[in-house]
Amino acid sequence: KAGVTQTPRYLIKTRGQQVTLSCSPISGHRSVSWYQQTPGQGLQFLFEYFSETQRNKGNFPGRFSGRQFSNSRSEMNVSTLELGDSALYLCASSFRDSTDTQYFGPGTRLTVL
Amino acid sequence: TQLLEQSPQFLSIQEGENLTVYCNSSSVFSSLQWYRQEPGEGPVLLVTVVTGGEVKKLKRLTFQFGDARKDSSLHITAAQPGDTGLYLCAGAANQKVTFGTGTKLQVIP
Repeated sequence: KAGVTQTPRYLIKTRGQQVTLSCSPISGHRSVSWYQQTPGQGLQFLFEYFSETQRNKGNFPGRFSGRQFSNSRSEMNVSTLELGDSALYLCASSFRDSTDTQYFGPGTRLTVL
Repeated sequence: TQLLEQSPQFLSIQEGENLTVYCNSSSVFSSLQWYRQEPGEGPVLLVTVVTGGEVKKLKRLTFQFGDARKDSSLHITAAQPGDTGLYLCAGAANQKVTFGTGTKLQVIP
């Protein structure tokens, strides 16, 4: 069974731009969660989607948004990028919800210049 | 807000030594998971503990869930260079997961 895939793996953007990251979950998994990982803050929860609906949301500004498609693939978007948005963005899929075993993708490393 | 504090933050030890990593919170969790993350990759689940006082062993790794389900520990016996990585605990409650602050382990050959 193929694992969680994330594209792109690396991204460099400048302040003010916007970015879209993509995540393909494990086949059959309907829950997709997104996390931001930085050395200073650790792994922080962004949001969780299940059956195309946002089920939970972390404490991030509205510049961070996401969506899920009918095939469970998910995208997250960050608008008006700031230097502090530089991070590793991880996507995790699970069968029912984020308290199930989560399978993480390799992440997208975003650098904002 | 549920917080999970891990200690120590960093650990550098020689191959063959034993170590323990702690994960503490003031909140009660319905289950607690431990992950290991290697550079350039996402975290990989090691174990899930669900019962207070539960002890699980995975080869040289021993995981314990506190009686009150607020804390957990990970003990590694005879550490090997392949154990090097970032260890994360994650507590689940009310359909949400909170990750710990992480422990970066380096095992020197």
